[in-house]
Amino acid sequence: RKEVEQDPGPFNVPEGATVAFNCTYSNSASQSFFWYRQDCRKEPKLLMSVYSSGNEDGRFTAQLNRASQYISLLIRDSKLSDSATYLCVVTAGNTPLVFGKGTRLSVIA
Amino acid sequence: NAGVTQTPKFRVLKTGQSMTLLCAQDMNHEYMYWYRQDPGMGLRLIHYSVGEGTTAKGEVPDGYNVSRLKKQNFLLGLESAAPSQTSVYFCASSYRLAGLYEQYFGPGTRLTVT
Repeated sequence: RKEVEQDPGPFNVPEGATVAFNCTYSNSASQSFFWYRQDCRKEPKLLMSVYSSGNEDGRFTAQLNRASQYISLLIRDSKLSDSATYLCVVTAGNTPLVFGKGTRLSVIA
Repeated sequence: NAGVTQTPKFRVLKTGQSMTLLCAQDMNHEYMYWYRQDPGMGLRLIHYSVGEGTTAKGEVPDGYNVSRLKKQNFLLGLESAAPSQTSVYFCASSYRLAGLYEQYFGPGTRLTVT
């Protein structure tokens, strides 16, 4: 079983739609969680960290469910500029980050 | 600040040739990393460094060597390139190894081995 698994995508949604991505992780010792965004042919960049109580940044909401070992990312009112690949990232203690394979999102006009 | 830079941006090698990829960061980060990204495989860690003069193996270290002689530089070497090493290589750096510390990535090096 892969350490971090994501919805395979691609997700094709119209502008203004709400879309949600899920990610499951296998290491119960995982402590820190992130969502990174990667535009086509570009480097990954941090979108947001994921806190235990859940957190929101504008149109983006991240949630963590430790009992079920999954995290989610909700994007409301999708924009064309949200089209990208979203990477789920997990780390357990003092170990390097583990990246999921990513979920591709295309927002269509 | 330039952040993380990578040299070269593109390279084509013949099987058996060698090359070195250079990564430089100006953020005074202790930790540096080399990843490769292939279609359908996601980002895979090759080697990383927790400080000047130290290196450690990641998930896919075979066929690669690294050196961290200066804090700001992390070199990735391919001694005898193989077609399986055709990939996009990303370097990254961070203040800490884990916890809520962002990893900053360079723009990538696109390597083709023929």
